[in-house]
Amino acid sequence: ETGVTQSPTHLIKTRGQQVTLRCSSQSGHNTVSWYQQALGQGPQFIFQYYREEENGRGNFPPRFSGLQFPNYSSELNVNALELDDSALYLCASSSQTRGGLPDTQYFGPGTRLTVL
Amino acid sequence: KQEVTQIPAALSVPEGENLVLNCSFTDSAIYNLQWFRQDPGKGLTSLLLIQSSQREQTSGRLNASLDKSSGRSTLYIAASQPGDSATYLCAVEVGHVQKLVFGQGTRLTINP
Repeated sequence: ETGVTQSPTHLIKTRGQQVTLRCSSQSGHNTVSWYQQALGQGPQFIFQYYREEENGRGNFPPRFSGLQFPNYSSELNVNALELDDSALYLCASSSQTRGGLPDTQYFGPGTRLTVL
Repeated sequence: KQEVTQIPAALSVPEGENLVLNCSFTDSAIYNLQWFRQDPGKGLTSLLLIQSSQREQTSGRLNASLDKSSGRSTLYIAASQPGDSATYLCAVEVGHVQKLVFGQGTRLTINP
């Protein structure tokens, strides 16, 4: 059983640029959630994808967008980068069924994004 | 709006001590509560998950309790070791989406 992987590990961008972060779910998982963790803070929920559809969104502007692919891997895209977007971006995968009990979420190692 | 608070923000204890980390949440309508461990610059490792209908969970030297009515959880670590040094995060799962609301964490240092 493979774990959750994320790429790249680190990334440096300048203000105004666009970035794409990638996440491969754990085998058998159909749900991916993305979180932003600023330095010294707890992670904050960005959005979740379930079977290729956005299933919920946190308090983040539309320039944060995502995709989930048929193999359940996922991308997080951020446009018009701002200095405050500098953070550790975490993805988590899980297996859930509609109406069923939520399953444990397994987190990847994260991508450290620095915006200069 | 659900808010999660962890006290203390940082804790330093000598090796071998038993210790308790605290977590409180403002809305008792949760699906479950999880405790995570995070090493510096790394992702999260799930330690214990307590469903809303449960009172506690144990794994090795770790024991977590949940009192939903008072909005509190504790993580008890027995016989602490230097390898336990990390940041410990508490999170509650809310809503029909598997959304986790996290506290800011307790940074734990175990001194040899």
